[in-house]
Amino acid sequence: EVKLVQSGAEVKKPGESLKISCKGSANRWIAWVRQMPGKGLEWMGIIYPGDSETKYSPSFEGHVTFSADKSTSAAYLQWSSLKTSDTAIYYCARLTMRGVRRTFDVWGQGTRVIVSS
Amino acid sequence: DIQMTQSPSSLSASVGDRVTITCRASQTISNYLNWYQQRPGSAPNLVIYAASSLPDGVPLRFSGSGSGTDFTLTISGLQPEDFGTYYCQDSNSTFMFTFGQGTKVEIK
Repeated sequence: EVKLVQSGAEVKKPGESLKISCKGSANRWIAWVRQMPGKGLEWMGIIYPGDSETKYSPSFEGHVTFSADKSTSAAYLQWSSLKTSDTAIYYCARLTMRGVRRTFDVWGQGTRVIVSS
Repeated sequence: DIQMTQSPSSLSASVGDRVTITCRASQTISNYLNWYQQRPGSAPNLVIYAASSLPDGVPLRFSGSGSGTDFTLTISGLQPEDFGTYYCQDSNSTFMFTFGQGTKVEIK
């Protein structure tokens, strides 16, 4: 059974940096999805760990950075300077592409990030 | 960018009811439309892909229809475990998988 395992919850102060991880997939595109408290799912973008090719949603480009390490089957989401508005749960999800099927059918458990002074 | 608009934003229904949720895309996406269920405290779970296809393990009471810009998710015979929030997702755009804003389903 394929699993994506995300790093644990984080509590940070505004202005601090942070890097969270998602492990379990080396040869599939991995997406990042934000869910702010009490809100819906927001598409952040996607990365291919095999060669680190990356596509960002325009809403998040420049605010976050995706990276990957194919030797450890890990994808990363990082911030250089957190804001209180970055408080959210962040999910990673694996893309399956097969004909008309383009779905996210394996998800990580989510990483809760709290940014507060 | 494509916008995905769901309606209603929430609904309350009884066990056994037929529930319908709609999703409209701001431009045509053929049948590249997915539906996910998210229960509180859990990650989303795929319930319909390619507008009308059922993934393995998803109960037959879930069905989807539509093409182009207008889509529907139907739950025929609502069960207590079907509570949660349902999201549609555009899967047509190249690596831009926009979600709808969600429809919260509560059991009466």
